[in-house]
Amino acid sequence: EIVLTQSPDTLSLSPGERATLSCRARQSVTSANLAWYQHKPGQAPRLLIYGASSRATGIPDRFSGSGSGTDFTLTISRLEPEDFAVYYCQQYSSSPYSFGQGTKLEIK
Amino acid sequence: EQLVQSGAEVKKPGASVKVSCKASGYTFTGYYMHWVRQAPGQGLEWMGWINPNTGGTIYAPKFQDRVTLTSDTSISTAYMELSRLRSDDTAIYYCARPLHPSAIRWAGIWGQGTLVTVSS
Repeated sequence: EIVLTQSPDTLSLSPGERATLSCRARQSVTSANLAWYQHKPGQAPRLLIYGASSRATGIPDRFSGSGSGTDFTLTISRLEPEDFAVYYCQQYSSSPYSFGQGTKLEIK
Repeated sequence: EQLVQSGAEVKKPGASVKVSCKASGYTFTGYYMHWVRQAPGQGLEWMGWINPNTGGTIYAPKFQDRVTLTSDTSISTAYMELSRLRSDDTAIYYCARPLHPSAIRWAGIWGQGTLVTVSS
């Protein structure tokens, strides 16, 4: 199983600041097979980024993804109040399609 | 394009639960369906997928001996059945459809979730 480790576990920032979230895999993940999701309490997860760097339909351009191999990054350029949530990376390179443990982005 | 799941369930330890996920607005047999769960205070956990067109399935090893994914193409509905329930199976269970037809990756459309509570 490919283990994904996200860091930090919690990120405390203010609206308007830049957020950088990391997802590290124990073994190489094809970029095409890496996705990022946003999850808010009481809602279903929402696909933000697929193929490591492609934004899903309707996702604002302040969200961007990058990385390859074992290191991937989700960047939110200027935080809006609605961006505070939990973020997960997921790999589809090999089954089981594991998720990272999540990064909670909270308001400072 | 929408996925609507069945309502909350309360089950006793050792029982089974079957959650449904009704698809609308797209060709049901053209897309895989994933199942993901989230236990209280925990992260997302992938359980498996089904290809409604062929009935083929892949399960995460953790659930291999207890989960069964099925589908009924006549009513565009996927099902997740989990047996021998334990208290740590208490979770919200989601179905999720990939972005593109005939592709496994990138769960782009999600059901609203079904809370399953296991308690004696």
